[in-house]
Amino acid sequence: AQSVAQPEDQVNVAEGNPLTVKCTYSVSGNPYLFWYVQYPNRGLQFLLKYITGDNLVKGSYGFEAEFNKSQTSFHLKKPSALVSDSALYFCAVRPDRGSTLGRLYFGRGTQLTVWP
Amino acid sequence: NAGVTQTPKFQVLKTGQSMTLQCAQDMNHEYMSWYRQDPGMGLRLIHYSVGAGITDQGEVPNGYNVSRSTTEDFPLRLLSAAPSQTSVYFCASSYGGSSNTDTQYFGPGTRLTVL
Repeated sequence: AQSVAQPEDQVNVAEGNPLTVKCTYSVSGNPYLFWYVQYPNRGLQFLLKYITGDNLVKGSYGFEAEFNKSQTSFHLKKPSALVSDSALYFCAVRPDRGSTLGRLYFGRGTQLTVWP
Repeated sequence: NAGVTQTPKFQVLKTGQSMTLQCAQDMNHEYMSWYRQDPGMGLRLIHYSVGAGITDQGEVPNGYNVSRSTTEDFPLRLLSAAPSQTSVYFCASSYGGSSNTDTQYFGPGTRLTVL
């Protein structure tokens, strides 16, 4: 079965500090991995994705994520957090085969709070 | 380019009422889908479509109908609303109908309450 785990419901960091939001996954076949961000009362905004190639993926707003196949992880990172980064972050995975076409499997989300 | 639009933004229904949630995209995307978001559960796929005239069920299709008569529109119908359908509903679209690598783009959501 395909699944995504975001082990932390909440992450709190001080502005200017590095941040990490964790994601691990389980899929049959190779994973396509995505990060989305949701601001209050808004839809999901695409941040970045890993399809193939370089394990370090750079995305919008200074975010990046590292794909680690052996640890089945895709952690989201940013070197210096901003208060405006405070939002709900979702990790999602799509297997490359054997599943409902196009379906994204989402984690439960991690609420990131950056305090001044 | 408006992207993915959804109407209404908010809706309150009584148990047993029916309604249609509208979704439209102006990006000429083949693939469209509906998800529901419930607290602590992430997003779950309700129905999806790989092109006009083609729809299929996702993970939680019961109580919902869809149709896709045009590339642009993908309405979601609740036939007889139940309190368990209280949720936030998101429509999403992506370019390809058969590619698993495409990025899905989400609408702003419809917050539905069923009393």
